[in-house]
This record gives sequence, structure tokens and C-alpha cells, in this order.
Amino acid sequence: SAVISQKPSRDICQRGTSLTIQCQVDSQVTMMFWYRQQPGQSLTLIATANQGSEATYESGFVIDKFPISRPNLTFSTLTVSNMSPEDSSIYLCSVVVRVGGTEAFFGQGTRLTVV
Amino acid sequence: AQSVTQLDSQVPVFEEAPVELRCNYSSSVSVYLFWYVQYPNQGLQLLLKYLSGSTLVKGINGFEAEFNKSQTSFHLRKPSVHISDTAEYFCAVSPSGGSYIPTFGRGTSLIVHP
Repeated sequence: SAVISQKPSRDICQRGTSLTIQCQVDSQVTMMFWYRQQPGQSLTLIATANQGSEATYESGFVIDKFPISRPNLTFSTLTVSNMSPEDSSIYLCSVVVRVGGTEAFFGQGTRLTVV
Repeated sequence: AQSVTQLDSQVPVFEEAPVELRCNYSSSVSVYLFWYVQYPNQGLQLLLKYLSGSTLVKGINGFEAEFNKSQTSFHLRKPSVHISDTAEYFCAVSPSGGSYIPTFGRGTSLIVHP
């Protein structure tokens, strides 16, 4: 299994500013994932963060808007840059563990409100 | 590529009644199937998963799901719900090889009334 600590749990930010979300895992994992969950909607994958290489972004998401760092095998950050009210969402980090099958584990999420 | 369809966005039910949350998927490769639950202001927690073997899968909190390959479905059931089951439920599918990155359905909000 994996225990993921994500912070901050929530924040209210002014438009035009940036917020960095941190994700700490209690074990070493190759890939970490960042999702966005807009109100009333499902999870949308933003990017896959690999240690030692640039993140891989999904269609509709770009590095300038959502820069990601992955300095080691247990930690990652996602920055939401130049925020607008449309960025108000829950952001979740996740890892997939393949020991004894496969399962995705999630952090508690960061509830972001942009005003 | 995979896709997941959860037909019901909201399911209201009375306490102690049975419930079924529907999930259909499509995929060109073999898949693993999952149900996750998200309680208010929390992350997602695994309820149960189907990897292989018996098509009836039992999970936590009295939930179970049945994999039906011919109908490409993985419906979630509970014979008697509690108020505490009120939450958002997500069906997910991931390829059984390769990246294992799951694709999620839109979610079903289960609302249990006293």
C-alpha cells in the first residue's frame, strides 16, 4: 500500500497568483500522477510525473500553466500558475502500486478556490 | 484507450434499502476494474477491484460488484445501505498491462435518506 500526504488541504487564492501543492509518499514510487476534479465532475489526469525526467502532460494541459517537479522517488509538487476562477477545483496526487495486483492510491486532495 | 460510463449521476435511496450503482466500460485491451469511494472533503479510497478469477468481487463496507464481460459492465451493489454510505462513487478501468493508469467515470452520488 501507499500513504500519501498532500498539502495544503485547501486554499483561497487571488487571481493572477500561483499556488504550489506538495505530495509526499511513504514509499518510493516510479510514477506519480496529478489529477484535477472540477465541481460535480470526474477526475481528469493532468500529468504523469517521473523522477529524473520531465512530466508528461495530457491533452489540454501545458507545462507553463501546471509546472511539476519530481526531485526524488517520494515527493512531487504541482504548481497552478497565473490562476483564474476557472482553476477552482480539487487537485489530487496519486500513485499506482503494482505489488499483489494493482491499485491507485490518492492523497486527500487540495481544494482550491480562486477569487 | 478505455472509457467508463456511469449512467446515474445521483442515486437517492432510503436507509436499509438495497442499492445498485451502474458502470459500463469499453476497451480494446483486457482491463482491471475498480470502484472507489470519495467521502466529503476526502481523497479517493478503494472499495474493491477485479483483476482476474471469480467475477463476483467483495469489497469493504459490505459492497460487492460483478464483472460481466459480455455486457462490459461492473455494477456495484449493497444489500442494505447506511447513512454513512452517503458519498461519491467512481468506477475506474485500467489496462492490465503497460502503464496501469486508470480512467475514471463521472461518478455517482449516493444519497442515503433516513
